[in-house]
Amino acid sequence: DGGITQSPKYLFRKEGQNVTLSCEQNLNHDAMYWYRQDPGQGLRLIYYSQIVNDFQKGDIAEGYSVSREKKESFPLTVTSAQKNPTAFYLCASSIERRTAYNEQFFGPGTRLTVL
Amino acid sequence: GQQVMQIPQYQHVQEGEDFTTYCNSSTTLSNIQWYKQRPGGHPVFLIQLVKSGEVKKQKRLTFQFGEAKKNSSLHITATQTTDVGTYFCAGLNDYKLSFGAGTTVTVRA
Repeated sequence: DGGITQSPKYLFRKEGQNVTLSCEQNLNHDAMYWYRQDPGQGLRLIYYSQIVNDFQKGDIAEGYSVSREKKESFPLTVTSAQKNPTAFYLCASSIERRTAYNEQFFGPGTRLTVL
Repeated sequence: GQQVMQIPQYQHVQEGEDFTTYCNSSTTLSNIQWYKQRPGGHPVFLIQLVKSGEVKKQKRLTFQFGEAKKNSSLHITATQTTDVGTYFCAGLNDYKLSFGAGTTVTVRA
């Protein structure tokens, strides 16, 4: 059963704490992405990675960090520096970023709430 | 930076009617992709348009890419309750995908 998994589905954290969101894919995709979705807004790119051990900042990287130690995994850490962390976080992957046809496959998402 | 605008933000449709959602970019796009997100779900890829003036159909859905590759539209005919959800366009420019805010569709039976 191929796809992208994200865990947990719901996450609660206290203000001032760091939290890590998991994203795993078994599609053998090279590229992986993290998006944030807020009500009434589209998806905003946080970080992306085209290859293992390499990643780049997206449009709203401040307060977030990532790692890409394995092709299958792209965890996102929401740090205490992120001022408005409550949101729906979506992980996605695509075969290879630098191709013309690069549809993205999304995981089920993690809804983070800061208390 | 690149901005992708989508209108309308909300579309309330009587079952059986047609509607169109529009997507406009401030810059020329390499391609445009459309995604659908059901309530409580995640975005799912629908289609990608690459060529200027391209038109593609998927059953009751018709997708168009403008001649200048700066705008796109999605037209749904004979709306059904299964069409409920949010439709996003996403423009590719310089290998970066920028999403519009989406059109949220509700259907009156």
